[in-house]
Amino acid sequence: EIVMTQSPATLSVSPGERATLSCRASQTVSSNLAWYQKKPGQAPRLLISGASTRATGIPARFSGSGSGTEFTLTISSLQSEDFAVYYCQQYNNWPHTFGGGTKVEIK
Amino acid sequence: EVHLVESGGGLVQPGGSLRLSCSASGLTLNSYAIYWVRQAPGKGLEHVSAISGRGSDTNYADSVRDRFYISRDNSLNTVYLQMSSLRGEDTAVYYCVKGAGIDYYYYYMDVWGKGTTVTVSS
Repeated sequence: EIVMTQSPATLSVSPGERATLSCRASQTVSSNLAWYQKKPGQAPRLLISGASTRATGIPARFSGSGSGTEFTLTISSLQSEDFAVYYCQQYNNWPHTFGGGTKVEIK
Repeated sequence: EVHLVESGGGLVQPGGSLRLSCSASGLTLNSYAIYWVRQAPGKGLEHVSAISGRGSDTNYADSVRDRFYISRDNSLNTVYLQMSSLRGEDTAVYYCVKGAGIDYYYYYMDVWGKGTTVTVSS
C-alpha cells in the first residue's frame, strides 16, 4: 500500500502568519490527493480534493498544490479557527491511505 | 444539506459484538460509496471498511477482516458495520463517511459524520 508521510508533525504558527504543510507519497498518486481538517471532538472536514480544488465553503486562504508524490497545503493567513490537525489522503490506489497528520498550533 | 449520523457505539467486553449504524439525510445513499474510518485515542485516521453504492462491492482492512461485516439497506438510507470478536485495539471513534462517487476505490471522501465511540474493555 502507498505510505503517506506528512511533515512537520507539529507546526507552531502565530495568527495571521502563513502555514505550509507537506505531504509525500511513497509512489505516485497523480493528483488524487485530498486534505482534511480535524478539530477535537468534531468530524473531519474535507478541504481540498484533486490536490488543489477547494471543497464547497472552504475559504480562499486554503490552497493545495503538487502532483505525483509531493504535495503542499498552504494556509495564507492563519485564523483562530484554523488551529487543528490536518491530514492528507491519497485516493489513487486502494486502500486509500492517510498521512499521520500535522498539528497546527498557536505559537 | 447532507448529514450522516452514526449510532450504536458503546462499551463492550473483549470478544463481544456491536452493530454500528449510519443514517443519511439530504441525499439518496445508493448513489454513493460509504466508508467506515476510525481514530483510536491519540492516533491517526484508519480505514476500516468500505461498500459501493449498490452494495455489491465491499472491502475491509486486514486488521478487521473476518471480524467485521459492512452492509447497507438503501431503502432505509442506512449503512451498517457489524463488529464481532472485538479487541482492545478496536477502541476508537468510528466515523461514517460518504464517498464522492458510487465506487469506493475511485473517489475521495467528502462528508463525514460526527462519529460514535466504541470502547472495548473488561
